[in-house]
Amino acid sequence: QVQLHQSGPGLVKPSETLSLTCTVSGGSINNYYWSWIRQPAGKRLEWIGRIYSGGRTNYNPSLKSRVAMSVDTSENQVSLTLSSVTAADTAVYWCARDPGLWYFELWGQGILVTVSS
Amino acid sequence: SYDLIQPLSVSVALGQTAIITCEEYNIESKNVHWYQQRPGQTPVLVIYRDNRRPSGIPERFSGSNSGNTATLTITGAQVGDEADYYCQVWDDTLVFGGGTKLTVL
Repeated sequence: QVQLHQSGPGLVKPSETLSLTCTVSGGSINNYYWSWIRQPAGKRLEWIGRIYSGGRTNYNPSLKSRVAMSVDTSENQVSLTLSSVTAADTAVYWCARDPGLWYFELWGQGILVTVSS
Repeated sequence: SYDLIQPLSVSVALGQTAIITCEEYNIESKNVHWYQQRPGQTPVLVIYRDNRRPSGIPERFSGSNSGNTATLTITGAQVGDEADYYCQVWDDTLVFGGGTKLTVL
């Protein structure tokens, strides 16, 4: 059974860079798209972007200038960096699997990231 | 870009049919997907590509998409169906609706 697990710091200082990793277990990362999605408390879901196992990326235009994603197929991991964070970036962050049709069939458990000094 | 409009809340009596809408101009030209998010939990895909149900999702969940409205229907609503429901489409970027809180009375 494929599982996704997000990891990274739960607290990031304003103006610094948020870095998260999604590790895929029980299956291959290959031939799928992997998205990052976030949700501030009490608000709607927001798509951050996605990366294909081959490295091609698509980013949300509203975050594109601050986002970077990478993939490590040997480790079965995808990574997210979000630079110059502010309190508005405080949210639960998920990674999710997309079979290539722009929907999310499998999600990680999520990780709360708080931006605060 | 798309702005998907959902009602803030929908209430349904136990065992009755709940209808949750997602509105945008010409949404029928897009594939609409629906997620269930119980309080404090991770979203779960319940309908994809307008009306397809993932493995493990009960048959009481169904979807449709016509004109300017996509609809998620829950037939015979149960207490366990209480959750927030989000519609989602791709249109130049990926967009989620604002979410609808379903209450089962």
